[in-house]
Amino acid sequence: EIVLTQSPGTLSLSPGERGTLSCRASQSVSSSYLAWYQQKPGQAPRLLIYGASTRATGIPDRFSGSGSETDFTLTISRLEPEDFAVYYCQQYGISPITFGQGTRLEIK
Amino acid sequence: EVQLVESGGGLVQPGGSLRLSCAASGFTFSGYKMSWVRQAPGKGLERVATITNNGGATSYADSVKGRFTISRDNSKNTLYLQMNSLRAEDTAVYYCARGGIAVIFDYWGQGTLVTVSP
Repeated sequence: EIVLTQSPGTLSLSPGERGTLSCRASQSVSSSYLAWYQQKPGQAPRLLIYGASTRATGIPDRFSGSGSETDFTLTISRLEPEDFAVYYCQQYGISPITFGQGTRLEIK
Repeated sequence: EVQLVESGGGLVQPGGSLRLSCAASGFTFSGYKMSWVRQAPGKGLERVATITNNGGATSYADSVKGRFTISRDNSKNTLYLQMNSLRAEDTAVYYCARGGIAVIFDYWGQGTLVTVSP
């Protein structure tokens, strides 16, 4: 099983700042099958990024993804108030499909 | 518009059974792999089970293997999760999602809460 470790666990930033979230895999993940999701309280996860760097439909361009093999990054260029949420990475290329434990992005 | 609507959650005693349903609309259901993902209170996401578009292959998390069964009825555009021998640790919100191995989880339902308690 591929274990995904996200860091930091909690990130405290102010609106307008840049946010950088990390996802490290226990073994190489095909970039084609690395995704990021955003989840707000009481809501289902929302797909942000797939294929490591492709934004899903309707996702603002302040969200970007990068990385390869075992190290992946989600960057939010300038935080808006609605961006404060929990973010999960996921690999969906090798069974079993696994998620990281999440990074909580909170307002400083 | 793609919609996934789960139902069937509720309170069940340990050792009991429950069947969840997910009604799909707005897309060609038979063309997509589907999955169930759960989230225990205050915890992260765990993929529970996945089924291919024609139901010919399934896969499960080790934590539910032998107790849960995923299935689908493409004529009714509905995904199911039969949950037997339920344990306290199965308490979670259960989401159905469009996606599976090599297919992004691009649409999710709103979730249904399953509580396993005496």
